[in-house]
Amino acid sequence: GENVEQHPSTLSVQEGDSAVIKCTYSDSASNYFPWYKQELGKRPQLIIDIRSNVGEKKDQRIAVTLNKTAKHFSLHITETQPEDSAVYFCAASSGNNRLAFGKGNQVVVIP
Amino acid sequence: EAGVAQSPRYKIIEKRQSVAFWCNPISGHATLYWYQQILGQGPKLLIQFQNNGVVDDSQLPKDRFSAERLKGVDSTLKIQPAKLEDSAVYLCASSSNQGSSGYTFGSGTRLTVV
Repeated sequence: GENVEQHPSTLSVQEGDSAVIKCTYSDSASNYFPWYKQELGKRPQLIIDIRSNVGEKKDQRIAVTLNKTAKHFSLHITETQPEDSAVYFCAASSGNNRLAFGKGNQVVVIP
Repeated sequence: EAGVAQSPRYKIIEKRQSVAFWCNPISGHATLYWYQQILGQGPKLLIQFQNNGVVDDSQLPKDRFSAERLKGVDSTLKIQPAKLEDSAVYLCASSSNQGSSGYTFGSGTRLTVV
């Protein structure tokens, strides 16, 4: 089945700087790649997603890029704010609507 | 729209006891999932339902875990008997179609087995 890996496991950034989280996946048939944000003790919430027919998608301070050839995709957060501190999960699906999640990245925004 | 409802929020049981979790998905969502999230890890799929049928239960430890969605709406997940390593948050999620799309997760049930 699909195997998704995330790097780095923990990322600390100064407020206002950018944060980048990278994920790799193993199944070349995967065509849907969402990112979830999970704050402590809360449910994962979808923040942005991308499908395999596009290379980049942006929503305000958040963007996702996809490289299908290399089988990796990245989350970019610009102008980070303290409320961006959370665990971010990437996931991949090959069309069966079954998401395989990475282990998560802890992002810490230092005021 | 109302979100995915789960109960209970927390449960503490002794090992070898039984426990059941309940999930009510978003109205009209045909696909329902149960995920296990161990502390510090990403969610791991246990079982996927499409209406009242099982689509994938390959990662469900069937010797102790069972799940059903009899009327294609609510679902229950049961563990019998529980082990210490079952301590985790059990997340229910639903989605509206069979094609790839984002899930909506419930708040989860935090299970502690002592």
